[in-house]
Amino acid sequence: QLQLQESGPGLVKPSETLSLTCTVSGGSISSSSYYWGWIRQPPGKGLEWIGSIYYSGSTYYNPSLKSRVTISVDTSKNQFSLKLSSVTAADTAVYYCARLVSLTLLPQGWFDPWGQGTLVTVSS
Amino acid sequence: QSVLTQPPSVSGAPGQRVTISCTGSSSNIGAGYDVHWYQQLPGTAPKLLIYGNSNRPSGVPDRFSGSKSGTSASLAITGLQAEDEADYYCQSYDSSLSGFGGGVFGGGTKLTVL
Repeated sequence: QLQLQESGPGLVKPSETLSLTCTVSGGSISSSSYYWGWIRQPPGKGLEWIGSIYYSGSTYYNPSLKSRVTISVDTSKNQFSLKLSSVTAADTAVYYCARLVSLTLLPQGWFDPWGQGTLVTVSS
Repeated sequence: QSVLTQPPSVSGAPGQRVTISCTGSSSNIGAGYDVHWYQQLPGTAPKLLIYGNSNRPSGVPDRFSGSKSGTSASLAITGLQAEDEADYYCQSYDSSLSGFGGGVFGGGTKLTVL
């Protein structure tokens, strides 16, 4: 059974860079059938897609975050990572990683399964 | 403001049927992109409920069903149960966002079982 687990600091200072890693177990991140994605949810609010990555390294980002986001993949460790620079209090959220199941070669599909999520608070 | 519009809340009594709408536009649902639905119980991660407009993953009761028409989609829940009380989100793709990879979510709908 595929499982995903987010890890990283729970507190980040304003203007610094948020860094999270998602470790995939029970399956290979290098599978050609899937993309891998990051989604966030501010407290009490809805879901926001941050970006997606293929095992080859191809990335797709939310235009509203694109200038600050970098998603990378490490197939040797079966992990993918998120970096969000110049954070502010508005970036405080639960960050989820998830597998993106696509029936085509494009990152258009559904997210399943999801990691349990990790709360990142931006505060000095 | 979400690209996909959902009602903030819906409610129903046990045993009743409720529907949750998800309204998009010609650059997302209306462009032919599939709609997917997620259930988020309090304090937990979202869980896939419906994929590809109307398909249920194994383990999801057939009380849950999805449909899509034009620029909108709907999630229907029949035989409402107390355990269905949760937040529900629709998700699709928008061709005006990030080329072919622009994932978009609805704002979410809180279902209250009376």
